[in-house]
Amino acid sequence: DAMVIQNPRYQVTQFGKPVTLSCSQTLNHNVMYWYQQKSSQAPKLLFHYYDKDFNNEADTPDNFQSRRPNTSFCFLDIRSPGLGDAAMYLCATSRGGGAPPTRRTIMNTEAFFGQGTRLTVV
Amino acid sequence: RKEVEQDPGPFNVPEGATVAFNCTYSNSASQSFFWYRQDCRKEPKLLMSVYSSGNEDGRFTAQLNRASQYISLLIRDSKLSDSATYLCVVNNGGSQGNLIFGKGTKLSVKP
Repeated sequence: DAMVIQNPRYQVTQFGKPVTLSCSQTLNHNVMYWYQQKSSQAPKLLFHYYDKDFNNEADTPDNFQSRRPNTSFCFLDIRSPGLGDAAMYLCATSRGGGAPPTRRTIMNTEAFFGQGTRLTVV
Repeated sequence: RKEVEQDPGPFNVPEGATVAFNCTYSNSASQSFFWYRQDCRKEPKLLMSVYSSGNEDGRFTAQLNRASQYISLLIRDSKLSDSATYLCVVNNGGSQGNLIFGKGTKLSVKP
């Protein structure tokens, strides 16, 4: 049974038209990640949540936003997609540990990935 | 220096060959290390975690050298089904820890 589910698997959007990608998990993991992966490149971290704490990577464009309304769901919003945003978007989860806010750590456990959403911008 | 660097590849090997991948990481505070496998147009999947003492899982052996900030993966008796991209992944740990991926090394096992 899939534990990290991304919808849709394939998304076609128009240049400049806002689009939302979704991710849900049944693992009850604290941490959820969004990665962007372009062809023949490594997955690039956009941001991650530790519970409700949002951590943005310094080089993530403002065009990318995220929401995590509860433990199970996380959304990636692309406000004005450009042709360069066409990629595979991967959601992942991992287990966190420690007590907030000062002792939170990402535990030494692997990340579980969803199957990804392949975004095409036309 | 990039945070996680891997052998450029691609590696084209015959069935039954032994192949080794190397990976270096720049953050000496990194806490945990993994090898992931990614098939074409699929999501990465964990192959194995890498422990300080080294670990083996069937035909796969992973080694970690913290002093040299170096990780390796050895695949013995390669199978056609081993053809994939192998990603070295480092968790920088701490409250802002995140998983950093290397670019991956593509392996192609030929009959």
